[in-house]
Amino acid sequence: QKEVEQDPGPLSVPEGAIVSLNCTYSNSAFQYFMWYRQYSRKGPELLMYTYSSGNKEDGRFTAQVDKSSKYISLFIRDSQPSDSATYLCAMRGDNFNKFYFGSGTKLNVKP
Amino acid sequence: EAGVTQFPSHSVIEKGQTVTLRCDPISGHDNLYWYRRVMGKEIKFLLHFVKESKQDESGMPNNRFLAERTGGTYSTLKVQPAELEDSGVYFCASSPRAFGELFFGEGSRLTVL
Repeated sequence: QKEVEQDPGPLSVPEGAIVSLNCTYSNSAFQYFMWYRQYSRKGPELLMYTYSSGNKEDGRFTAQVDKSSKYISLFIRDSQPSDSATYLCAMRGDNFNKFYFGSGTKLNVKP
Repeated sequence: EAGVTQFPSHSVIEKGQTVTLRCDPISGHDNLYWYRRVMGKEIKFLLHFVKESKQDESGMPNNRFLAERTGGTYSTLKVQPAELEDSGVYFCASSPRAFGELFFGEGSRLTVL
């Protein structure tokens, strides 16, 4: 079983739509949850960083963590064509420094 | 400020040859990580340096892979001899502190024929 599961998509939405991206995980020791955005042929760049459970909002982006269900989400409001990229979830525990990544969801926002 | 830089961006080699990938972290970042993504799979951890010391190399797949970080600045990852299954994208990331945010390079794409 993979540590982190993520639907690879692709996910295609019209401009202005609300996008929901999700990951599930199996290791209850994970405490730090991140979302990265990766454009084609580029490195991942950090979008959101959340510790433990709860919500965090940054502009059009909202990250949610439900530790009881081992489920995390990233919502993108008013999606733009420039949001078209692969979105990766990543997580780690308190006592270990390696990050575990999902396989990424490819998002296409159509003008 | 310059980001994490990796060289080469793409390398094509024959099975059995040797390849060396280089990573220059962001200046002042003591923590340096190597990750890789093979086709269709998720990005996976290879190892973690703190300055010149290997903190965790539990993700290194086998002894054909050798990572070094002499002087605690840039790092190299050597694959010798390369096998077909080593093909993928090798990412380097750095962080100013342990357990901190990772800043990724653009990756080095390795193709083994």
